[in-house]
Parts: sequence; structure tokens; C-alpha cells
Amino acid sequence: DSGVTQTPKHLITATGQRVTLRCSPRSGDLSVYWYQQSLDQGLQFLIQYYNGEERAKGNILERFSAQQFPDLHSELNLSSLELGDSALYFCASSVGGGWGNQETQYFGPGTRLLVL
Amino acid sequence: TQLLEQSPQFLSIQEGENLTVYCNSSSVFSSLQWYRQEPGEGPVLLVTVVTGGEVKKLKRLTFQFGDARKDSSLHITAAQPGDTGLYLCAGPNFGNEKLTFGTGTRLTIIP
Repeated sequence: DSGVTQTPKHLITATGQRVTLRCSPRSGDLSVYWYQQSLDQGLQFLIQYYNGEERAKGNILERFSAQQFPDLHSELNLSSLELGDSALYFCASSVGGGWGNQETQYFGPGTRLLVL
Repeated sequence: TQLLEQSPQFLSIQEGENLTVYCNSSSVFSSLQWYRQEPGEGPVLLVTVVTGGEVKKLKRLTFQFGDARKDSSLHITAAQPGDTGLYLCAGPNFGNEKLTFGTGTRLTIIP
């Protein structure tokens, strides 16, 4: 158990719909990272928040948005869903805002999204 | 974006055998990390290598960072069923430091 929690575990929805994924970081961690894992694209970084502010952006579509709240939990909003958005979405957290050998990222168990 | 190619993509071997998986790039990385991901779980960090030529050992797992910091290998001795999983290498891109993950090696150890 990494200490990072994600809800829901599974989500099935239809094209065109909007969903919200939730992540609670480990106690004391200030950074939250969102990743998408699909069979064809592998694990890809979407966006990072550090202490409530956006810190870094990756391959995140304009239809997707995220925020980090004062209690440090984060939500990833996916809208106008398409079939290709079906994937595993992971949240990770770390103590600080750095990358690579500066920080250890702890991953949650993921949310499996299926768009029909 | 710097790319990380892993090989082989799939590997299935008998318990007790040795194996090596590779992570290669044409770019230099300041560090490389190895993760293991089991079904239904998120990736778990195994090790971070920082110095070119560095070797780190984690029980039966040996990690090596290439001298030029463009590649890394993971060697497992006497593989066990508990080693089954998806092995991912990852490194921070120069300039923006965001983590790039490799294509992954899916390892299955047959009892």
C-alpha cells in the first residue's frame, strides 16, 4: 500500500460524457502527479500540482483539466470523452516538487476508465 | 521528448533462470529509475541510478547505468514467480525534468 488513494477504482461511461477522478496523496506529500496508461501509448505524464499550484504540464489534452485543493487532494476532470480516452489513470504523490532522483513518486492503484 | 526503448517487450521464462532486460535511449539522462508494476496496481519504484557506470543491487536484482548515461539494464538472478510484472524504466527529460517512461517489459516467471 503506497498510501495514495484513488477513487473510483473502475468507471464505465459513454462517449461525450464528463467524469471526475479523485486522488488523495500520502500524508505530508505536497505534489500530485497524474498519468495516463494505455496499451498503445504506455505510461504518459499528464500534469503536476504542487501545494495547490500547477507545476508542470505534459501531454494533457485541452478536454482534460485538474486541480489541487487546499487539503491537497486532487481531481482530474475528463470531458467530451472519446473511445480513445479509455485507459488507466494513475495519481502519484511526492514530498516536494522536484523530479527524477530528487523525488520518489508513490503511485496509487489507479482508476480504470472505459468509454463505450 | 527523450524516448526510452525497452527490450524485450515480453519475456516468459522458467523459475530459477536468469534474465536481463534493457532500457535504451539515444539521449543522455541525468538519472534513470526502474519500476515494477503488478496487475491492478500502480508502478513501484525499485531503484534510481545516477552516476554513469553505477551498479546497484537489490537482493537478486542488479541494476546498471551505462557509462554514457544513455542506457540501463536490469538483471534478475534465479527468477521467482513473485518477480512477475511489468518493468518500466523512467528518466527525467533534460530541460523540463518531467519523467519519461519506457515502453516496458512484461515479465512472466513460470513456476
